[in-house]
Amino acid sequence: EDQVTQSPEALRLQEGESSSLNCSYTVSGLRGLFWYRQDPGKGPEFLFTLYSAGEEKEKERLKATLTKKESFLHITAPKPEDSATYLCAVQGLQGAQKLVFGQGTRLTINP
Amino acid sequence: NAGVTQTPKFRILKIGQSMTLQCTQDMNHNYMYWYRQDPGMGLKLIYYSVGAGITDKGEVPNGYNVSRSTTEDFPLRLELAAPSQTSVYFCASRAGRDKNIQYFGAGTRLSVL
Repeated sequence: EDQVTQSPEALRLQEGESSSLNCSYTVSGLRGLFWYRQDPGKGPEFLFTLYSAGEEKEKERLKATLTKKESFLHITAPKPEDSATYLCAVQGLQGAQKLVFGQGTRLTINP
Repeated sequence: NAGVTQTPKFRILKIGQSMTLQCTQDMNHNYMYWYRQDPGMGLKLIYYSVGAGITDKGEVPNGYNVSRSTTEDFPLRLELAAPSQTSVYFCASRAGRDKNIQYFGAGTRLSVL
């Protein structure tokens, strides 16, 4: 059974204080790993897809990386508008039509 | 381009009542999904569809039913509402076999009292 665990559950940073969010996964065979951002009262919004170990993708202050067992979402010099819940999900080879989500990391950036 | 539209945004039900959560997408996507999200939890898959006329169970299907008569619409039916079905429900869609990104609606917040 595919599983995703995110840590920490919540993270509070000062504006400009860089950090990383972790997503550990077990999957029968990885078809893709996805990062989403979710603002309060809204649906998840797609950020990145990673397909193979060693792959990296960047968007503004965010960079996602992937190993065979985990993914990191690095946030550099965050701003208050980066405050949101970040969700990680995996798509395995056996359940290729479906995503399995982690519980999310709630990120708060204080000005 | 509206994307994925869910109605209603909020609803309060009494125990034992029934209702249908509506979901429609205008992107001509083949795949559609229903998830529920409980506080502090990730998304749990309820049902999904790979095309009109084809549906399959997800992780937590009990107490729910779906149908997919058109490409655009994927309604979720609650027949006998229970307090355990209090949650936020999200509908999502994606284009097809090699297009893996799921696009989400804004959600329906349901309370069963």
